Amino acid sequence: GDSVTQMEGPVTLSEEAFLTINCTYTATGYPSLFWYVQYPGEGLQLLLKATKADDKGSNKGFEATYRKETTSFHLEKGSVQVSDSAVYFCALSDTNAGKSTFGDGTTLTVKP
Amino acid sequence: GAGVSQSPRYKVAKRGQDVALRCDPISGHVSLFWYQQALGQGPEFLTYFQNEAQLDKSGLPSDRFFAERPEGSVSTLKIQRTQQEDSAVYLCASSPSSASGRYEQYFGPGTRLTVT
Repeated sequence: GDSVTQMEGPVTLSEEAFLTINCTYTATGYPSLFWYVQYPGEGLQLLLKATKADDKGSNKGFEATYRKETTSFHLEKGSVQVSDSAVYFCALSDTNAGKSTFGDGTTLTVKP
Repeated sequence: GAGVSQSPRYKVAKRGQDVALRCDPISGHVSLFWYQQALGQGPEFLTYFQNEAQLDKSGLPSDRFFAERPEGSVSTLKIQRTQQEDSAVYLCASSPSSASGRYEQYFGPGTRLTVT
């Protein structure tokens, strides 16, 4: 079945550092890929998405590129802020069935 | 506008009790999902509705779990004879499209169930 593997956390960075959170997936079809973020005390919300190979999703300075050849969707940000501290989930969605498969989440803490 | 709401936010049940968890999706959203999230893990798919039709219930862990969406809007997840391993956060999500694989899902805040 489908699966998502995320870089284990927690990740602690200083403000303005470069962020990479690795995500690889296994899927039988051609899924859509997502990064969701969960800020402290809040629900999951979409950060960015890509629906086909070589697409780049971007939002709030975060980027991720759908790499079919390496089955990866790594999340990057050039300069993190304290307000980026949250749990980040990589997910894939079966285009036909709609259900999403999530990774276990990576906790990011950014220190001033 | 109003997002996905869930109630109750917290539920403590004694082992063996039945519980009912409610989800109010965003108005007009066709697709509705239920997920179970254990501590320190990502959400795990339970079941999926398109309008009132339950199209996929492959993630329900046992026949003690039952979900319904009779009028294609509000949904209820019912767990009978709760067990300690049912303790988790139950998330509801909705999506505007029936082709929901390509669209984001909008999540509610979750119901934290603790079975004692």
